[in-house]
Amino acid sequence: NAGVTQTPKFRVLKTGQSMTLLCAQDMNHEYMYWYRQDPGMGLRLIHYSVGEGTTAKGEVPDGYNVSRLKKQNFLLGLESAAPSQTSVYFCASSYGLREVSTDTQYFGPGTRLTVL
Amino acid sequence: QQPVQSPQAVILREGEDAVINCSSSKALYSVHWYRQKHGEAPVFLMILLKGGEQKGHDKISASFNEKKQQSSLYLTASQLSYSGTYFCGTEYRENNNAGNMLTFGGGTRLMVKP
Repeated sequence: NAGVTQTPKFRVLKTGQSMTLLCAQDMNHEYMYWYRQDPGMGLRLIHYSVGEGTTAKGEVPDGYNVSRLKKQNFLLGLESAAPSQTSVYFCASSYGLREVSTDTQYFGPGTRLTVL
Repeated sequence: QQPVQSPQAVILREGEDAVINCSSSKALYSVHWYRQKHGEAPVFLMILLKGGEQKGHDKISASFNEKKQQSSLYLTASQLSYSGTYFCGTEYRENNNAGNMLTFGGGTRLMVKP
């Protein structure tokens, strides 16, 4: 089991460039999440998905788009990168079952993105 | 609304104890505790459920006070390996359909020195 994987691990972009971050999980989880982590800010939810083909906005969705075409993959896109999007991006997944009271989120290793 | 963690940072000597608090302004369903080492992903420690008991493993335990809408993480006889940033993730089950949407606190940086 690889768990949650993210590619790439590092990326440097110029303002206005676009890119896609890939998250993959092999735990058959229904729910997937994208967070950004800035110094002293903790983890803030960008977008999430409650199942294949679904997406929803989180706390800080502006400037990002997502897609969940396959259950195991969750893509985060930046159409026109801005310096304010310099951050560490984490993907997470969970079963998402309300009946499973001990369900929690499992995180990928992160992608460090710098926008110049 | 983001839960508030306190303290923001703490420095300990090996063998000392620490308490990290996580407070919410809304009624909580559960609290999830994570530890993150520098440059790594957050790693799950434990869940505290509404109506549940105090939990723990090894020398790390936690409690959940529903009335005060807060949870506390207790680190006893700290070890060098406990260093890192601790986050609480709070779950509110009002009208959302998600199984466990979490809102994370700003984190508590813990440094254990020899």
